[in-house]
Amino acid sequence: ELKVEQNPLFLSMQEGKNYTIYCNYSTTSDRLYWYRQDPGKSLESLFVLLSNGAVKQEGRLMASLDTKARLSTLHITAAVHDLSATYFCAVDRRYSGGGADGLTFGKGTHLIIQP
Amino acid sequence: GAVVSQHPSRVICKSGTSVKIECRSLDFQATTMFWYRQFPKQSLMLMATSNEGSKATYEQGVEKDKFLINHASLTLSTLTVTSAHPEDSSFYICSATGIYGYTFGSGTRLTVV
Repeated sequence: ELKVEQNPLFLSMQEGKNYTIYCNYSTTSDRLYWYRQDPGKSLESLFVLLSNGAVKQEGRLMASLDTKARLSTLHITAAVHDLSATYFCAVDRRYSGGGADGLTFGKGTHLIIQP
Repeated sequence: GAVVSQHPSRVICKSGTSVKIECRSLDFQATTMFWYRQFPKQSLMLMATSNEGSKATYEQGVEKDKFLINHASLTLSTLTVTSAHPEDSSFYICSATGIYGYTFGSGTRLTVV
């Protein structure tokens, strides 16, 4: 069974600081997603990582994927208050050898950025 | 880009009644649609996967008779929560796959009183 572990689950940080969220998963997969969720809202797609070594950046966020280590990271640079949200990683089950479809999500990282 | 419309966004129903939630892909044909459930401050859990014209595949522990899924066309899937109870209160989110990968609906907040 595919398991996705995300840490930390809660993070409070100051504006201007850097931090990294980690996403480990238990079976091989070549496709991983990062999403943002604001309170009461659905998911906003941030990144799709399609292969080992993939790195994508958008503004202050950068995501990477190491399929050999089964690890993805979401790095926040010089955080600003507007980035406060819950961030989820999700592994695509179609690419994890199980044959099933759909995404398995991590528990989410609740990020608060204080002025 | 791909857009998935989900309705209603909020619904309050009495215990014992049924509620239908619609999920439509507006500008693409969705080969597969998914239904997720999210309890407060928790992650999304996949409930079921549906393909157009065939029976849905339910995840372990999800009651098929309680959560009826119909995927009548390549652009529409519905989730019916039958005989709803307060413990069914949750945020339900649909997702559709097409050439753009996974696209999520805006979610439905179900409250059963």
